[in-house]
Amino acid sequence: GESVGLHLPTLSVQEGDNSIINCAYSNSASDYFIWYKQESGKGPQFIIDIRSNMDKRQGQRVTVLLNKTVKHLSLQIAATQPGDSAVYFCADTGGGNKLTFGTGTQLKVEL
Amino acid sequence: DTAVSQTPKYLVTQMGNDKSIKCEQNLGHDTMYWYKQDSKKFLKIMFSYNNKELIINETVPNRFSPKSPDKAHLNLHINSLELGDSAVYFCASSQEPGGETQYFGPGTRLLVL
Repeated sequence: GESVGLHLPTLSVQEGDNSIINCAYSNSASDYFIWYKQESGKGPQFIIDIRSNMDKRQGQRVTVLLNKTVKHLSLQIAATQPGDSAVYFCADTGGGNKLTFGTGTQLKVEL
Repeated sequence: DTAVSQTPKYLVTQMGNDKSIKCEQNLGHDTMYWYKQDSKKFLKIMFSYNNKELIINETVPNRFSPKSPDKAHLNLHINSLELGDSAVYFCASSQEPGGETQYFGPGTRLLVL
């Protein structure tokens, strides 16, 4: 079936380095993608989104890249900080009215 | 000011009991959701309401019954709780269904013994 998946379950980076979290999706009809951050004991928090008519979108220290050809999107975090430690989820609507979440990547920032 | 709030935060109960989780949003959104997150952090939608009308009902046992008394509230009642119901349940809301940013509550941690 259609699904959203992540390549790496855990990513460890040194403080100050850049982080790249990847996500693959399989639904060609997907036209809206969101990255969420979930800190321990909290609900998912919106980070950044992108629509399928774009291939790049930047926020504060974060950039999302979308490659529709290979159905891949990534989240880049610049100058990773300890506060960035969390589980990151990609999600997409599959062209419909519900969000399908990926399995999540645990980002660990080492001091 | 909490945008999406849930009560209780923690819920420990015995198998076979009936329990309810409440959710309220003060964002003025029209759409609300219930998600279940398992021990592996996998998030899956259960239900969605738009303007108090059910619009998404995933393959969820009929022991789970959502109820939306008004646009700002979406409650979840669970009958005959089972061990496998243990999870974190998140409420969320958005202005419109689906293709909009969803705002999540802090979660309700349910443990069935």
